[in-house]
Amino acid sequence: SQELEQSPQSLIVQEGKNLTINCTSSKTLYGLYWYKQKYGEGLIFLMMLQKGGEEKSHEKITAKLDEKKQQSSLHITASQPSHAGIYLCGADLQIYSGGGADGLTFGKGTHLIIQP
Amino acid sequence: SAVISQKPSRDICQRGTSLTIQCQVDSQVTMMFWYRQQPGQSLTLIATANQGSEATYESGFVIDKFPISRPNLTFSTLTVSNMSPEDSSIYLCSVSGYTFGSGTRLTVV
Repeated sequence: SQELEQSPQSLIVQEGKNLTINCTSSKTLYGLYWYKQKYGEGLIFLMMLQKGGEEKSHEKITAKLDEKKQQSSLHITASQPSHAGIYLCGADLQIYSGGGADGLTFGKGTHLIIQP
Repeated sequence: SAVISQKPSRDICQRGTSLTIQCQVDSQVTMMFWYRQQPGQSLTLIATANQGSEATYESGFVIDKFPISRPNLTFSTLTVSNMSPEDSSIYLCSVSGYTFGSGTRLTVV
């Protein structure tokens, strides 16, 4: 089974609406990274969370890591066409490492479409 | 954070041939990582490359198919050997969770 479950797989949202993407692990998340990817291109780093209960925001995007460090959510407020793309969570599942020092395990991604 | 230059950005190759992908980092880094993203799939770690030692491969990936070089602390190459259409993927290098190359989109025909 997938170590990192990401949901939903795809999401169609009307412009201006809020949305949430989830990333759930069966193991402790020692580092959780959120990325955005446009079709066929590389990854754009959004945010990284390490501590239980941590929350970070950048512009209209907020990411949280739960207290148990097994689930993270990415929330977009007042979505815009520029938010469209594929959102990926990547996790550091190895203890004693940080910053993805052992390579990351990725979720399958969420394909976000913004309807005008 | 480090900046990675990856090339080629895309290529179309004949089956049975090999392609070498290069990643150049603008600072010295201990470890570099190579990932594969098959169509519609997530990223899968191929191997970890440390300078001065052989790369460490993940389950399902072997050196004969994906030889990696790491001649110094700023450069690495991944070769996809004896390609088949199943190797059509995006290949990405990374130096940490923060920094990825722009990817190489490989199509094997």
